[in-house]
Amino acid sequence: QVQLAESGGGVVQPGRSLRLSCAASGFTFSSYGMHWVRQAPGKGLEWVAVIAYDRSNKYYADSVRGRFTISRDNSKNTLFLQMDSLRAEDTAVYYCARDSTGGNYNLGDNWGQGTLVTVSS
Amino acid sequence: QSALTQPASVSGSPGQSITISCTGTSSDVGGYDYVSWYQQYPAKAPKLMIYEVSNRPSGVSNRFSGSKSGNTASLTISGLQAEDEADYYCSSYTSRSTQVFGTGTKVNVI
Repeated sequence: QVQLAESGGGVVQPGRSLRLSCAASGFTFSSYGMHWVRQAPGKGLEWVAVIAYDRSNKYYADSVRGRFTISRDNSKNTLFLQMDSLRAEDTAVYYCARDSTGGNYNLGDNWGQGTLVTVSS
Repeated sequence: QSALTQPASVSGSPGQSITISCTGTSSDVGGYDYVSWYQQYPAKAPKLMIYEVSNRPSGVSNRFSGSKSGNTASLTISGLQAEDEADYYCSSYTSRSTQVFGTGTKVNVI
């Protein structure tokens, strides 16, 4: 069955960087678009970024554009989120989620369990 | 991109039907049939309940149904059960090729 497992979360100081990973299994990773979604403590879901199945297109939320970079390694079935210039407001649980298409139309037919990122001095 | 508007909470008794609205604009909900709905329990990952406005993934109860009219999408839960008490979010594809979530609705089964 489809499995998505995030890793790389932790506590980081403001202004520093962190790289999240999402290991995928149980499906042909290279055929699907992939998203990052976050949820601040006690808050709602916020879409962060998406990458197409072949890396041809990447899109970002206004709140992270220019600071976060989404990427993928189809040979290793892994999705990444490079987070630079982190701010306190980036504190959240970060989920990776599969799109049911190769692009960015149907977010979230499968989700990982999430990894917590805390930005604090 | 502003979040889609959902009621903060909706309540119903077991067996009743409730409807959650999700209001956007012609640049998101009204412009595309790529509206999804998710169920989330506390400290758990969201679960897809409806995709492309009205389609149910395999394994989702047929008590859940979706629809759309203009810039507003709706999720209806019929035959409300105690296990339906959770947070519900809508999402939509947008004209900027991004995604946007709704503000979230807490369903209370009273």
